[in-house]
Formats: sequence, C-alpha cells, structure tokens
Amino acid sequence: DIVLTQSPDSLAVSLGERAAINCKSSQSVLYSSTNKNHLAWYQQKPGQPPKLLMHWASTRESGVPDRFSGSGSGTDFTLTISSLQAEDVAVYYCQQYSNTPPTFGQGTKVEIK
Amino acid sequence: EMQVVESGGGLVQPGGSLRLSCGASGFNLRSYSMNWVRQAPGKGLEWISYISSSGSAIFYADSVKGRSTLSRDNAKNSLFLQMDSLSAEDTAIYYCARASAEWLPPPPFDIWGQGTLVIVSS
Repeated sequence: DIVLTQSPDSLAVSLGERAAINCKSSQSVLYSSTNKNHLAWYQQKPGQPPKLLMHWASTRESGVPDRFSGSGSGTDFTLTISSLQAEDVAVYYCQQYSNTPPTFGQGTKVEIK
Repeated sequence: EMQVVESGGGLVQPGGSLRLSCGASGFNLRSYSMNWVRQAPGKGLEWISYISSSGSAIFYADSVKGRSTLSRDNAKNSLFLQMDSLSAEDTAIYYCARASAEWLPPPPFDIWGQGTLVIVSS
C-alpha cells in the first residue's frame, strides 16, 4: 500500500497569514496513463464529513475559494492556504488514488494562532 | 441537492454483526461507483470498500476482507455493507462516499454522507 505522510501534524497560523501542509508519498502517484498526479486533498471540520477540496493535486473543486492551492508532483505535494480565514480551521487530509487501496495521510490540524 | 445518507449503526457486542445501509438523493446512485470509508474516534480516514456502479467489481481493505460483504440494489437506489465478527477495532464512524468517476483505482470521493457510528463493546 502507498503510505502518505503529512507534515506537520498540526499548525497554528494567524488570521490572514499563510498555511502550508506537506504530503509525502512512499511512491510516485504520477499515473503513467494519464500523466497526472492522482492526489486529492480534503477538509474536515469538527463534527462534519470530509469535503473534497482538490483533485489532480492542484485542481480546485467547484466552490472552493482560490486562497486554497495545491502543488507538487511525483511524491511531494503541498496544500497552501494563502490567507487563513476563521472558517478554514479544520483537519486536512491528502489521499492518493494512484493505487488500490486508496490511502489517506494521517491528517494535519490547522488552528488559529 | 445531492446527498447520501447512511443508517444501521449502533452498539454491537464483540463478535457480532451489523448491516449498514446507504441511500442517495439528488442523483442516481446506480450510475456511480461507491465506497465506504471509516474513521475511528479521534483518528484519520480509512477506506474499507468499493463497489462499481453495476456491482460487478468489489474491493475490500485487508482490515475487513473476509468478514465484510458489500452489495447494492440499484432498483432501490441503495448500498449495503454487511460486517461480521466485529471487534473493538471496528468502532468508528462509517461514511458512504461517492466516487467522482467510474474507474479504478477509485477516484476522489466527491459526496459524503454524515456517517453512521458503530460502537463495538460489551
């Protein structure tokens, strides 16, 4: 199974400041047949199910604010929140869909400093 | 609004069984492959099962393989997960989640239910 390791486990950022979450894969999730990175990001707020934020590592879902951006390729990826808002407090997960079983990172908790 | 709704969770004794259900509204469940993902209390997300839109392809995580059966009744727009030989390690919120497209490995999960809580305890 592909192991995804997120860092840090938690971070506290001031409102309006930048937050960055890293996701490292144990093997490349760049899928040869699509030439795309099969990596997604989810946001989970307390007491809620996860919400899909991004797929193909950097494609935002409809309605996701543009302060969220994804980058990276192969084995190293980053989710960046350019200007943290109060409503962004959540746990963020990366997920690979390059291999079965699909696997998730352990999660990164984002809080307000 | 497109949504899925899970049901069937509850308190079950170790070694017992449970049948979880997932229904959909706002979209035709029969047109999508579906998944179950669970989350133990205070822990991360674990994918446990996938079923194609037709039901012809089914996959399980090793953690539930051999004691779980996933099925669907497209006529009733419903999905069912039968879980047997439950242990404390199965205590979790179980989410039904729609795959955003019909291919393997299952693509990202774009619609999630609120989940149903399963507690395995004596």
